[in-house]
Amino acid sequence: DAGVTQSPTHLIKTRGQQVTLRCSPKSGHDTVSWYQQALGQGPQFIFQYYEEEERQRGNFPDRFSGHQFPNYSSELNVNALLLGDSALYLCASSNGQGLTGANVLTFGAGSRLTVL
Amino acid sequence: KNQVEQSPQSLIILEGKNCTLQCNYTVSPFSNLRWYKQDTGRGPVSLTIMTFSENTKSNGRYTATLDADTKQSSLHITASQLSDSASYICVVKVSNYQLIWGAGTKLIIKP
Repeated sequence: DAGVTQSPTHLIKTRGQQVTLRCSPKSGHDTVSWYQQALGQGPQFIFQYYEEEERQRGNFPDRFSGHQFPNYSSELNVNALLLGDSALYLCASSNGQGLTGANVLTFGAGSRLTVL
Repeated sequence: KNQVEQSPQSLIILEGKNCTLQCNYTVSPFSNLRWYKQDTGRGPVSLTIMTFSENTKSNGRYTATLDADTKQSSLHITASQLSDSASYICVVKVSNYQLIWGAGTKLIIKP
């Protein structure tokens, strides 16, 4: 049973560049959420996708955008990268919109982005 | 302001010893509280989910407690193993979309 897979695992970019991160949800899950985790901090919610639409968004600028495909996989795009965007980007999948009941998030291993 | 605070920030114990991690929250409205384990360089893995009416929940050597009156939770680890070395994050669900995450406690188990 494949869990959540993310790619790439590590990448290095320079300021001003753009990056695309990819996520395949766990089998049977249809909802994808993206989180940013700075070193030594808890994850910060970026946004959630369900039925190919952004359903909820955290406190992140428009430079952060995403997409969900018909097969439920998702992409996170970050434009005009800043040094402060350096972080571990986590994708989490779940079943159904939102976090109803005790809906458990299944996380991927993350994509480590370093901005120089 | 919705907040989750965890203590201690980091903890070092010897293999085989017990330990307790603390989580205090000021969140409204409260839906449930989750403990996650995050190994270095990996995504968080759910350990327990506790609702308002649950006081104690166990998952193997992990036991979580919840006091909804004082808004405190603890995670007790019994007979620690080297593989328990990780960050343990307390997360409170506020709404169907919003989870408030603590900064985590970094636990190191030494042989």
